[in-house]
Amino acid sequence: EIVMTQSPATLSVSPGERATLSCRASQSVTSNLGWYQQKPGQAPRLLIYDASTRATGIPARFSGSGSGTEFTLTISSLQSQDFAVYFCQQYNKWPLTFGQGTKVEIK
Amino acid sequence: QVQLVESGGGVVQPGRSLRLSCAASRFTFSTYGMHWVRQAPGKGLEWVAIVSSDGNDKHYADSVKGRFTISRDNSKNTLYLQMNSLSAEDSAVYYCAKGYYGSGGDVFDIWGQGTMVTVSS
Repeated sequence: EIVMTQSPATLSVSPGERATLSCRASQSVTSNLGWYQQKPGQAPRLLIYDASTRATGIPARFSGSGSGTEFTLTISSLQSQDFAVYFCQQYNKWPLTFGQGTKVEIK
Repeated sequence: QVQLVESGGGVVQPGRSLRLSCAASRFTFSTYGMHWVRQAPGKGLEWVAIVSSDGNDKHYADSVKGRFTISRDNSKNTLYLQMNSLSAEDSAVYYCAKGYYGSGGDVFDIWGQGTMVTVSS
């Protein structure tokens, strides 16, 4: 099983600042990596797939990068609605696996 | 718009069974692989199972293999998860999710609202 490790567990950021979230895979997943946002009481929402492609309707302030085992989600200027938990997910091998999540909170 | 609606959750005793359903609408259900993903209270996401668009290919997480069965009825646009031999570790919100690419390993572009399963005596 491919283990996905996200860091940090919690990120405290002020509105308008940049947030950088990391995701590391225990073995290469090539570019088969997605990012999700989840708010309390809601289902996750797909933000990024194929490591760097924004899903439909996702604002340009969200960007993804990386390949192989190291990936980054960047939120260029945090808006109030961006404070949430973010998960990465690999889909290169079965079983599909998620990271444990990074909570982005208001500083 | 595209919608997935889960049902069938509830409180069940350890060792018993439960079947979840997920009704899909406003997309061509029969052309996409469909998944179940679960989330224990306060925890992260765990992928559970996938069924291919034609229902012939299935994969499971090791934690549910041999106890859970995923299936679909394309004539009814409905996905199912039969859960047997339930234990407390299976307590979670269960989401059905549509695969973006539709086959193989995939990301999930459409999610249902989730249905809660609580395993407790």
